[in-house]
Amino acid sequence: EDQVTQSPEALRLQEGESSSLNCSYTVSGLRGLFWYRQDPGKGPEFLFTLYSAGEEKEKERLKATLTKKESFLHITAPKPEDSATYLCAVQADTGANSKLTFGKGITLSVRP
Amino acid sequence: DGGITQSPKYLFRKEGQNVTLSCEQNLNHDAMYWYRQDPGQGLRLIYYSQIVNDFQKGDIAEGYSVSREKKESFPLTVTSAQKNPTAFYLCASRTSNRGTEAFFGQGTRLTVV
Repeated sequence: EDQVTQSPEALRLQEGESSSLNCSYTVSGLRGLFWYRQDPGKGPEFLFTLYSAGEEKEKERLKATLTKKESFLHITAPKPEDSATYLCAVQADTGANSKLTFGKGITLSVRP
Repeated sequence: DGGITQSPKYLFRKEGQNVTLSCEQNLNHDAMYWYRQDPGQGLRLIYYSQIVNDFQKGDIAEGYSVSREKKESFPLTVTSAQKNPTAFYLCASRTSNRGTEAFFGQGTRLTVV
């Protein structure tokens, strides 16, 4: 069974204090790993897709990296508007099965 | 604008009633999904459909039903058999290509009164 574990559950940072969010996964062949941002009361917003170990992607203050067992979302010099819940999901390489398995999310709070 | 539209945004249900949540997409995506989100639980898969007139149960399908009569539409019915229906419901869609991301609607918050 595919599993995704995100840590820590919650993270509080001071504005400008860089940190990383962790996503550990167990999957029978990784087809893709996805990062989303979710604001309260809203649907998740897509951030990145990673496909293979060693791959990195960046967008503004965010950088996602991937190894064979985990992914990190690095946040450089965060601002209060980066406060949100960050979700990680995986899709397994299991033929026609296209379902995505999500972690429970990491709630990030950035204080000004 | 292309996207996924969920309606209504808020829904109140009396105990014993069935209610239907709407999900429409104009992205020409083959696959559509319904997730339930509870505090501290993350997103849990209820049902998904990879093609019109076909759908599969997810991890928590009991008490729910779906239909996929059109590519654009994937309504979810929360039946009276669902014992704890109060939650935030999210619909998503994606292309059938493996490894492509899913796009989400803005959600429907269902409350039992």
